[in-house]
Amino acid sequence: SQTIHQWPATLVQPVGSPLSLECTVEGTSNPNLYWYRQAAGRGLQLLFYSVGIGQISSEVPQNLSASRPQDRQFILSSKKLLLSDSGFYLCAWSTGDLREQYFGPGTRLTVT
Amino acid sequence: GESVGLHLPTLSVQEGDNSIINCAYSNSASDYFIWYKQESGKGPQFIIDIRSNMDKRQGQRVTVLLNKTVKHLSLQIAATQPGDSAVYFCAEINDSWGKLQFGAGTQVVVTP
Repeated sequence: SQTIHQWPATLVQPVGSPLSLECTVEGTSNPNLYWYRQAAGRGLQLLFYSVGIGQISSEVPQNLSASRPQDRQFILSSKKLLLSDSGFYLCAWSTGDLREQYFGPGTRLTVT
Repeated sequence: GESVGLHLPTLSVQEGDNSIINCAYSNSASDYFIWYKQESGKGPQFIIDIRSNMDKRQGQRVTVLLNKTVKHLSLQIAATQPGDSAVYFCAEINDSWGKLQFGAGTQVVVTP
């Protein structure tokens, strides 16, 4: 069966520091991968998606970037965090023949 | 742009009663809809989906109804249990790529 992992689970970082969040998927090949951000009490905002290694599409202009160095690895990064980057970051995957997305456990990021 | 939205931000339900969560969508091109359940501090969990060529689909204790005439989607939970307390999101797909557009969410609170 397929599983999706995210780490760390929680993170507290000062403004101006770098960020690296990792997401990995097991049990499937060539998944579509997604990064979402969720503000407290709000819905999900799609940040990035990827259909393959090295292929990244950005949904909104922002202080973040994404990379996909391996088929089942998706990384969310920032060179310098802003206070507004605080939130709950979710990674998700889907396959070409499935339209539903499956989410990881999320990373709670607090920028202080 | 067109979007998916929810009618009620909070729904309080007595244990054992049936719950109905509503969702309005405005993009008539959407052809696939999903309901997700998100418990506090966790990633969204897939509940049930429905394609636009259907008007009803049943799962275990849940039923999704789709009314394309008025662009309305609902999730019915039978015999609501304390474990059903969560935020419920509807989402639509109108893109062959499978990008989801989420509504704002409804908080369901189950009272004893």
